[in-house]
Amino acid sequence: QIQLVQSGPELKKPGESLKISCKASGYTFTDYAMQWVKQAPGKGLQYMGWINTQTGKPTYADDFKERFVFSLETSASTAYLQINNLKNEDTATYFCARTGFDYWGQGVMVTVSS
Amino acid sequence: DIQMTQSPSSLPASLGDRVTITCRASQDIGNYLRWFQQKPGKSPRLMIYGATNLAAGVPSRFSGSRSGSDYSLTISSLESEDMADYYCLQSKESPLTFGSGTKLEIK
Repeated sequence: QIQLVQSGPELKKPGESLKISCKASGYTFTDYAMQWVKQAPGKGLQYMGWINTQTGKPTYADDFKERFVFSLETSASTAYLQINNLKNEDTATYFCARTGFDYWGQGVMVTVSS
Repeated sequence: DIQMTQSPSSLPASLGDRVTITCRASQDIGNYLRWFQQKPGKSPRLMIYGATNLAAGVPSRFSGSRSGSDYSLTISSLESEDMADYYCLQSKESPLTFGSGTKLEIK
């Protein structure tokens, strides 16, 4: 069965970096781009952008063009989201979803606090 | 960027009610519209794609429609398991944009 399994919760301090993983299984990884979505506590869904799983080319929404990096490890069917220079406002749950949005990861809760 | 104006933000309703949630697109998006259901602590679930197509496994009491730039999600007879947040998403143009969400709750 198709699954996207994300890494575990993170507790970080402002200024630190983190890297979240999203491992796909049950389908051919390169057949679907990977999308990323942010949800701050008690707030709605915010689209972050996507990465082409065939070329590795990322595309970022305007709010995520600084400090955010999408990457791949195709041999492991895994997509990554790296956030650099963490800020308090990065506290949120981050979801991966394959293009089509029919399958989602379980989300990674990231807490940034000094 | 395309703005998706979703209403209402909160919708108190009774079991068995017919309820409708609407998203209005600021530009033409054709039928590039999806609806999602999200329950607390869970990932969003795709309910409708292509504005009117029911996603796999979604009960037939859910339906999607379009009238011009207005897109609607209708639940014909509300059940307790339908209490959740609902979001629309346009995928016509990058960046994709979500509506602000509707909280469906028991009256």
